[in-house]
Amino acid sequence: KNQVEQSPQSLIILEGKNCTLQCNYTVSPFSNLRWYKQDTGRGPVSLTIMTFSENTKSNGRYTATLDADTKQSSLHITASQLSDSASYICVVSPYSGAGSYQLTFGKGTKLSVIP
Amino acid sequence: GAVVSQHPSRVICKSGTSVKIECRSLDFQATTMFWYRQFPKQSLMLMATSNEGSKATYEQGVEKDKFLINHASLTLSTLTVTSAHPEDSSFYICSARDGNSLSSYNEQFFGPGTRLTVL
Repeated sequence: KNQVEQSPQSLIILEGKNCTLQCNYTVSPFSNLRWYKQDTGRGPVSLTIMTFSENTKSNGRYTATLDADTKQSSLHITASQLSDSASYICVVSPYSGAGSYQLTFGKGTKLSVIP
Repeated sequence: GAVVSQHPSRVICKSGTSVKIECRSLDFQATTMFWYRQFPKQSLMLMATSNEGSKATYEQGVEKDKFLINHASLTLSTLTVTSAHPEDSSFYICSARDGNSLSSYNEQFFGPGTRLTVL
């Protein structure tokens, strides 16, 4: 069964500090992995997308890494800001030659950045 | 680019009434749209996949007669919650896939969500 597990479930950090969120997946075959930021009461917003051949991708202060061999990904946030407080969701897209585009979602890590 | 809107953003209705939620792709043609629901502190759960001009494909456990989905054009899909009950209260999110995109990512773009509260 395709699964995506994220850790930690929640995290509190001080403004200006760095943090790293983890994602393990069992989706196979694998097409790509995405990290989304979801503010409370809003839809998810894409941060990064990586295929199996990409090891790292950055978007401003967000840097995602991917190890397709161990099926692990991480999202590193540098110099956190109060506006980074949100849920971060790891989403994996399985490869399907039949054209299925269904995604497998993790439960998310709720990040709280405090002054 | 790649903006998806939803309307309304928030709706409160009485039990037994029907509620329609619209999902629009504003700057691209969405050949496929997806409807999700999300309960508090839970991840998104796919309800159904709709392709323009054809019937939606519902996930197991989702009642198609209760959650009516129409994808009549390449920029609009609607979800109608019929005879809504308090247990239908949830956050409903749509996403859309750009059918003309040359990207290999097959990215889905999410709408901002609709908060439904059934009294």
